[in-house]
Amino acid sequence: AQSVTQLDSQVPVFEEAPVELRCNYSSSVSVYLFWYVQYPNQGLQLLLKYLSGSTLVKGINGFEAEFNKSQTSFHLRKPSVHISDTAEYFCAVSSLKAAGNKLTFGGGTRVLVKP
Amino acid sequence: KAGVTQTPRYLIKTRGQQVTLSCSPISGHRSVSWYQQTPGQGLQFLFEYFSETQRNKGNFPGRFSGRQFSNSRSEMNVSTLELGDSALYLCASSLHGGETEAFFGQGTRLTVV
Repeated sequence: AQSVTQLDSQVPVFEEAPVELRCNYSSSVSVYLFWYVQYPNQGLQLLLKYLSGSTLVKGINGFEAEFNKSQTSFHLRKPSVHISDTAEYFCAVSSLKAAGNKLTFGGGTRVLVKP
Repeated sequence: KAGVTQTPRYLIKTRGQQVTLSCSPISGHRSVSWYQQTPGQGLQFLFEYFSETQRNKGNFPGRFSGRQFSNSRSEMNVSTLELGDSALYLCASSLHGGETEAFFGQGTRLTVV
């Protein structure tokens, strides 16, 4: 079984400032790692994913994340945020061993970008 | 390329009734997963279908069921609705699951009164 913990439920940040959203996971097997964004009244959109290889992953809209196996973390960062980045962000994992698409999500982090 | 389409977008049902939600995946995608999103429990996996077979199942009671048709369209059904079933139900499709990207629909917001 897997579990995902997003350490901050809300993160206020000023426009053009950097932001980091923290994600830790627990799993007895190797996992794929994902970050999704959800805008109000919308579904989820994939920002980036880590499958294997380089631990620094670059995604859409200027986001990047770093996989740290020893700390079982997958923190999301953006060097300069825009008002349009106001949304809820979800970290998720799925097992490499299990066939199929079964995502385990963290509780989400609401990012509020202030002008 | 059309995205994942969920219908209806909004539903209001009475406790004890049943409801059917529909999901049309992206053309060519064979995996369809369903998730329930609530303020209290967050995003929880319901089940996944692949080529008309349930491949994965979450920890939900038997009142929650689903199926997938030969064209990969999927439906989920909730019987004997309870107030706690009020949620946003999200459908996601992917080529074959696993490491392939899951594309989400906009969801169906179900309110049970």
